[in-house]
Amino acid sequence: QSALTQPPSASGSPGQSVTISCTGASSDVGRYGYVSWYQHHPGKAPKLMIYDVSKRPSGVPDRFSGSKSGNTASLTVSGLQAEDEADYYCSSYAGSTPFVFGTGTKVTVL
Amino acid sequence: EVQLVESGGGLVQPGGSLRLSCAASGFTFSSYVMHWVRQAPGKGLAWVSRIIHDGTITTYADSVRGRFTISRDSAKKTLYLEMNSLRAEDTAVYFCAADIEYKFDYWGQGTLVTVSS
Repeated sequence: QSALTQPPSASGSPGQSVTISCTGASSDVGRYGYVSWYQHHPGKAPKLMIYDVSKRPSGVPDRFSGSKSGNTASLTVSGLQAEDEADYYCSSYAGSTPFVFGTGTKVTVL
Repeated sequence: EVQLVESGGGLVQPGGSLRLSCAASGFTFSSYVMHWVRQAPGKGLAWVSRIIHDGTITTYADSVRGRFTISRDSAKKTLYLEMNSLRAEDTAVYFCAADIEYKFDYWGQGTLVTVSS
């Protein structure tokens, strides 16, 4: 099972929006509605930000939103804040594998 | 407060063995599928293994199948990963994660495993 493809980096100024793509295949992202997104500050525990493509866990700001079209999922961070600077990973359920992660995107707040 | 605390990492020679532990608290451990996920230096996250609620079904990534064994002790609320025949490419930070319904709800901070002579 190959890793899902994400852009290595993304950036935006405070208050702007940034969108991260996550491209998989018909066997994972395209097949299942179980795409999730994680924020990871190096040295810390990763944090669940989005699950089931577009749902937010309690406590996650509504500035974070998710969507999916075909084999590609996306995470949008609106109203960028300094604390949003982190690595972001997508993940998809993939059946027998059973999970595959994205290659990761480093978000920089300019 | 939910906590997952990994331990047992360290420096080991190629071909050696190591046992990782992950102590859980603050949530109903027996209700969650548990996973190990690793991150090699400078690389992204990679799923390693999972064990279902009652420990009867385990699954492994191709890269570790036959060398790693995942287990859990519900009484101790602890997850384990027994790692044998370690290789340089197993060098990584190993995270434990709790999953309910196809997402990793809770994560630990990780423990570093270095395989080197």
